[in-house]
Amino acid sequence: ETGVTQTPRHLVMGMTNKKSLKCEQHLGHNAMYWYKQSAKKPLELMFVYSLEERVENNSVPSRFSPECPNSSHLFLHLHTLQPEDSALYLCASSQATGGSEKLFFGSGTQLSVL
Amino acid sequence: QKEVEQDPGPLSVPEGAIVSLNCTYSNSAFQYFMWYRQYSRKGPELLMYTYSSGNKEDGRFTAQVDKSSKYISLFIRDSQPSDSATYLCAMIKTGANNLFFGTGTRLTVIP
Repeated sequence: ETGVTQTPRHLVMGMTNKKSLKCEQHLGHNAMYWYKQSAKKPLELMFVYSLEERVENNSVPSRFSPECPNSSHLFLHLHTLQPEDSALYLCASSQATGGSEKLFFGSGTQLSVL
Repeated sequence: QKEVEQDPGPLSVPEGAIVSLNCTYSNSAFQYFMWYRQYSRKGPELLMYTYSSGNKEDGRFTAQVDKSSKYISLFIRDSQPSDSATYLCAMIKTGANNLFFGTGTRLTVIP
């Protein structure tokens, strides 16, 4: 098992639901990331938290809301999603300095929006 | 034009074959180059990491970088069924925290 744990593994939600994805890392890292993985597309960086401050927000729609209460935990709050938001959502962690290229990923949450 | 181009495959080879996976890129600011391996229903895991042009070997895996041609490769010798996975190239600029990924190449090694 990796040092990055994501829950739930699978999530089906309606367009009006509110849900949250959870990520926890046990590697002592101080940077955490949310990525979106869709079929036949490169991984898309959504959010980066470094030393618990958000440092990257790649024009992600406001229906996605990240939260990083401490360096070990990361959440992605979801509300009023669209069917095109169905994808694999991956959490990753790394060292904030001199290690951003060495990401450790969780197994992801497979999200289906109906 | 995408910043990173990778042939999505799929690629099927017999066990024991040499596999060559490739990516090209357009931005010369990329300085660090990685290969990630992703098994089905798992997240990507870092397989190889290189900085300079040239070759880096780790067991059956060799990563090659040609910065002048903006071309990177991953070679797998004596391929095994356990190598069946999607291979993602990735690269990053110095001081940045945003990796640019290829779309991934799906590899199947047939016993």
